[in-house]
Amino acid sequence: ETGVTQSPTHLIKTRGQQVTLRCSSQSGHNTVSWYQQALGQGPQFIFQYYREEENGRGNFPPRFSGLQFPNYSSELNVNALELDDSALYLCASSPNRGTSGTDTQYFGPGTRLTVL
Amino acid sequence: AQSVTQLDSHVSVSEGTPVLLRCNYSSSYSPSLFWYVQHPNKGLQLLLKYTSAATLVKGINGFEAEFKKSETSFHLTKPSAHMSDAAEYFCVVSSPGGGNKLTFGTGTQLKVEL
Repeated sequence: ETGVTQSPTHLIKTRGQQVTLRCSSQSGHNTVSWYQQALGQGPQFIFQYYREEENGRGNFPPRFSGLQFPNYSSELNVNALELDDSALYLCASSPNRGTSGTDTQYFGPGTRLTVL
Repeated sequence: AQSVTQLDSHVSVSEGTPVLLRCNYSSSYSPSLFWYVQHPNKGLQLLLKYTSAATLVKGINGFEAEFKKSETSFHLTKPSAHMSDAAEYFCVVSSPGGGNKLTFGTGTQLKVEL
């Protein structure tokens, strides 16, 4: 069974550019969540996708957008990059959209984004 | 609304001594609570979770946590620390109807000394 994978592992961009991060969910999981972890902080929820539809969003501006594909892999897109977008971006998958709040989320290793 | 407070940003213990990492939570509903560990340059790994069953929860690598509703706490313990336990630990809360959104604490860095 393959776990959650993310690509690329590291990325360097300049302010104003756009970036796409990718995530493959664990086999059998239909829900993907994205989190931003700034240096020295806990991860912050960006949004969640369930069966290709956005299923909840945190306090992030619209320039953070996402997609989920029929195979349940996912992309996170960030437009007009700002210096404060520098962070570790984590993807997590779970077997259901978790309306009970009890489902375990399985995390990938993350993509380290640096904005110069 | 839901939140967690990790009461110590850094904890240092000697190898072989007990570990206590403290966490208090706030939730409008019956919460699920988790502890995740993050080793350097690695993803988050689930240690244990509480989902309204037994209040004493056992996890991997000898860790356990006790849910205390009256104190709104979910402290993580281990009887004997090992060098490999050195990592960042996150207390996490999730609530029903929240779309399985996880809310993380700010983390506790555990240092284990010889």
